[in-house]
Amino acid sequence: DGGITQSPKYLFRKEGQNVTLSCEQNLNHDAMYWYRQDPGQGLRLIYYSQIVNDFQKGDIAEGYSVSREKKESFPLTVTSAQKNPTAFYLCASSTRPVRNQPQHFGDGTRLSIL
Amino acid sequence: ELKVEQNPLFLSMQEGKNYTIYCNYSTTSDRLYWYRQDPGKSLESLFVLLSNGAVKQEGRLMASLDTKARLSTLHITAAVHDLSATYFCAVDIKGRPQGGSEKLVFGKGTKLTVNP
Repeated sequence: DGGITQSPKYLFRKEGQNVTLSCEQNLNHDAMYWYRQDPGQGLRLIYYSQIVNDFQKGDIAEGYSVSREKKESFPLTVTSAQKNPTAFYLCASSTRPVRNQPQHFGDGTRLSIL
Repeated sequence: ELKVEQNPLFLSMQEGKNYTIYCNYSTTSDRLYWYRQDPGKSLESLFVLLSNGAVKQEGRLMASLDTKARLSTLHITAAVHDLSATYFCAVDIKGRPQGGSEKLVFGKGTKLTVNP
């Protein structure tokens, strides 16, 4: 079955540590996205990528980095510069351009500070 | 900057009742999405509204879009417990009439609780 796989499901970060969240999709989608969700909040866009080897900052990119070396993969690194990383992180993908389809979401990674 | 506001943010209703969730947005866009999220889970796509006057229905849920008023509604008919979840609207920031979604701006969500 096609879908988006995020791993790990739960992740703990120590002070000063960088951690990487994995996102893989087999939907053959060109566009991929990373969102952060805090309790009682909507989703906020961290980074997005429309094609391989290209990505753009979203609304809250500070303290995060991404890469897009393969169409299927869009890993997110939460760096030590992100002082408040505790949140639920969701990866999404979508077709482009002319399909008028919604973004499809993975099951998320819950990140906490040790 | 595009702002998306949902109201109410919390909604507690009895089974069998009807209610409407509202989604207002601040700049021109003609594509709007509704998603459902169960606690601790991912987002599930409910509706894609692509033009002014669009209306979509699935079971007890009906969504509509008025691009002139910059308003979408999600109407719940004869609520049942299984509809308890958080509902998000999201607006396409570029608002192109064609193409896959590019950047979405989400509302804060409406947490719906349906009581027996």
